[in-house]
Amino acid sequence: RKEVEQDPGPFNVPEGATVAFNCTYSNSASQSFFWYRQDCRKEPKLLMSVYSSGNEDGRFTAQLNRASQYISLLIRDSKLSDSATYLCVAGINDYKLSFGAGTTVTVRA
Amino acid sequence: EAQVTQNPRYLITVTGKKLTVTCSQNMNHEYMSWYRQDPGLGLRQIYYSMNVEVTDKGDVPEGYKVSRKEKRNFPLILESPSPNQTSLYFCASSPGVYNSPLHFGNGTRLTVT
Repeated sequence: RKEVEQDPGPFNVPEGATVAFNCTYSNSASQSFFWYRQDCRKEPKLLMSVYSSGNEDGRFTAQLNRASQYISLLIRDSKLSDSATYLCVAGINDYKLSFGAGTTVTVRA
Repeated sequence: EAQVTQNPRYLITVTGKKLTVTCSQNMNHEYMSWYRQDPGLGLRQIYYSMNVEVTDKGDVPEGYKVSRKEKRNFPLILESPSPNQTSLYFCASSPGVYNSPLHFGNGTRLTVT
């Protein structure tokens, strides 16, 4: 079983829509959680860290549910530039990080 | 400019011919790591290093070697490449403190025929 599982999508949404997706992690000892964004096989870039209390960065909101072992990402008011693959990351520490295979989001005009 | 630099960007080689992919960072980061990315599998960690002369296996270390003789460099060595090592490789670094983000190089696309 993969340590981090994501719905691969694609999620096709119109501009301005809200899109949300989850990922699940299998290791209950995980302490670090992140969302990374990856454009078309380029290098991943940090989108946001995920904190226990949930956190928001502009149009992006991340939530952590430790009891059910999932992380969510919500994108409000989608822009064309939000089209990308979003990688969920969980780790027992900052050295051993497990990446999901990614969820692809396509925002259409 | 703060960056992680990998070379080469693209490499086509034949089975058994030793190769090295270089990785260098200019941010004085303690931690460096190598990942490979394959369709449907996500990024999988090959090796990581928490400091100079300290390296450890990740999830898929077989067929790879690394060294960390200097803080800024972390080369990935394939002594005898095989076709199942055809992949997209990323080097990454971070300060190594809690919740610090990874900075990735721009990738090396390796094809082994």
